[in-house]
This record gives sequence, C-alpha cells and structure tokens, in this order.
Amino acid sequence: EPEVTQTPSHQVTQMGQEVILRCVPISNHLYFYWYRQILGQKVEFLVSFYNNEISEKSEIFDDQFSVERPDGSNFTLKIRSTKLEDSAMYFCASMGTGRTGELFFGEGSRLTVL
Amino acid sequence: GIQVEQSPPDLILQEGANSTLRCNFSDSVNNLQWFHQNPWGQLINLFYIPSGTKQNGRLSATTVATERYSLLYISSSQTTDSGVYFCACSNDYKLSFGAGTTVTVRA
Repeated sequence: EPEVTQTPSHQVTQMGQEVILRCVPISNHLYFYWYRQILGQKVEFLVSFYNNEISEKSEIFDDQFSVERPDGSNFTLKIRSTKLEDSAMYFCASMGTGRTGELFFGEGSRLTVL
Repeated sequence: GIQVEQSPPDLILQEGANSTLRCNFSDSVNNLQWFHQNPWGQLINLFYIPSGTKQNGRLSATTVATERYSLLYISSSQTTDSGVYFCACSNDYKLSFGAGTTVTVRA
C-alpha cells in the first residue's frame, strides 16, 4: 500500500540552526500539507501546497518557515533559524485528486531544539 | 475553520471492555477522519468517514453529518489500543483536529 514517508524520524539541533524536514508524498497525489504537534497538544495545520505554490498557511507559518517541492517526489519544510518553541512533531500529509478526499499522513519527524 | 470537540478527554478501560468516543463538529464537513496516535507519536489512520458507518475489526465508526457528530467504538479493548484518539474534520481541504481522547487500557 502506498504511503507517505518522512525523514529524518528524529532530529536534534541547536537553537538558531537551519533544519530541513523531508517528505515523499504518495506518487499520484497533488495536495501536500505540513502539520505540527507540540508535545501534549493537538495537531495544528501549518501549510498546504498545490500546483507548486502555497495554497493556504496558518498564522504559525511565519517568515522563518518555507516549503518547497524541489523535484517531482520530495516535499520539504525548512525552518531557517530554529527556536526552542519549534520543538515538536512535524507531520507531512498528502491528498489525491479528489479535493474532498482522505489525507494520508507520514509517521512524523520529531524535532528537538536545544 | 471548523471547531472540533472530543469527549471524554480521558478514558480508562479494563481489558475486554467496550467504549465509545465522541466527536462533535461545528459546521458541515466533507471530510472526517479518525486517527490513533501510538506511544511513538505516529498517527495511524483508522477511518475516513465523512458520513455513514464503517467497521474494521474491533473498531467501528459512525458519522451523522446532519447532526454534526461522529462516534468511534472500541470493542473488546486490548492494551495495544492505548493511546490518543484524534478526530479531524474539514470543509475547506485542510483538516482541523480535536484535542483527542487519551485511552488507557489496563490488563
């Protein structure tokens, strides 16, 4: 069964460093998402991406965040200068051509900022 | 966005017991999904159920879209069912998550 894969599964970084989280969505999907979950809290929407551009972003997704689809398979989330409060689990998700369809989530990338 | 409320916030079960988790949502939806978050933090997709009833083994779910709620049933619970169960809804192509129900199944 096709799945969304994320790397790394866990990354530890120093405050102020740049981090790139990578995702490989399901191959024929067109809509891509990043969500964040701070430990013990609910899962929050960060950004959606379609047709090589951001379609919607939350207030969390400020200038230190960026997303990119550098090739036909990868979808990345970059945090330019990490802060302690960026420590969280980051989930990538993708959805197929039917815009009311199911979102498929990756297993998450846990980011720890020291 | 849609407001999603889950109840109860916490649930403690004895192994073998049955339980019902509830999800209320504030607006009409075109997508509703239930997830189980395991102890490693992974989100496991349980059901895609914007309406109707589905069953998968000991789990089943029902969504009554006209009354804006969904129910997740766990039957004959096992210790591996422990974790946080999230309901998430959408009417605008992105999911809004509830705060989750933390289920603890004791042997």
